[in-house]
Amino acid sequence: GIQVEQSPPDLILQEGANSTLRCNFSDSVNNLQWFHQNPWGQLINLFYIPSGTKQNGRLSATTVATERYSLLYISSSQTTDSGVYFCAVPKDGGSQGNLIFGKGTKLSVKP
Amino acid sequence: SQTIHQWPATLVQPVGSPLSLECTVEGTSNPNLYWYRQAAGRGLQLLFYSVGIGQISSEVPQNLSASRPQDRQFILSSKKLLLSDSGFYLCAWRTGTITNYGYTFGSGTRLTVV
Repeated sequence: GIQVEQSPPDLILQEGANSTLRCNFSDSVNNLQWFHQNPWGQLINLFYIPSGTKQNGRLSATTVATERYSLLYISSSQTTDSGVYFCAVPKDGGSQGNLIFGKGTKLSVKP
Repeated sequence: SQTIHQWPATLVQPVGSPLSLECTVEGTSNPNLYWYRQAAGRGLQLLFYSVGIGQISSEVPQNLSASRPQDRQFILSSKKLLLSDSGFYLCAWRTGTITNYGYTFGSGTRLTVV
């Protein structure tokens, strides 16, 4: 089955710094999602981004489907950005919407 | 508005006891629903999904079962819990269209089997 790898596994930033999180996937996909899980466990869907670039405030994401990777950019990080960031892709073509998650990047933003 | 409810938030159960976790959604009809488990160490594993009433697909053979008795209700159950069933259980619902969709997750149930 498709493999999803995220890097780095852990990241510590000073407030105000920028960062780039990477997601590699082993097979072609028609969908890719980025999620943020806050320290209390709540998962929030950040982006649906099968290809191209999207921006939402200080966050943006780029997926290069032909090269099988996606990047999540966080600019001017804030302490509230702390948590775990996951990327996820559909399993087996994805018609049912089943997702395979990467293991995540744990981000800690220090004041 | 569209919302998803999951309860209880925390549960401590002895080994061998039964389990029932409930998830309901509001503001939509015929949603695709999912149960995920997150063990310590972060990864999310898909357990079950459902595309309609009474339709359940299992992704991983295990001690758990799922049911969908109503359109907007998804239940995760076990007859006898094992220590290995401990984890953070999340219900999710796919939103949007078939070509442009996202996911809304419930707030999760943290289950500890003792």
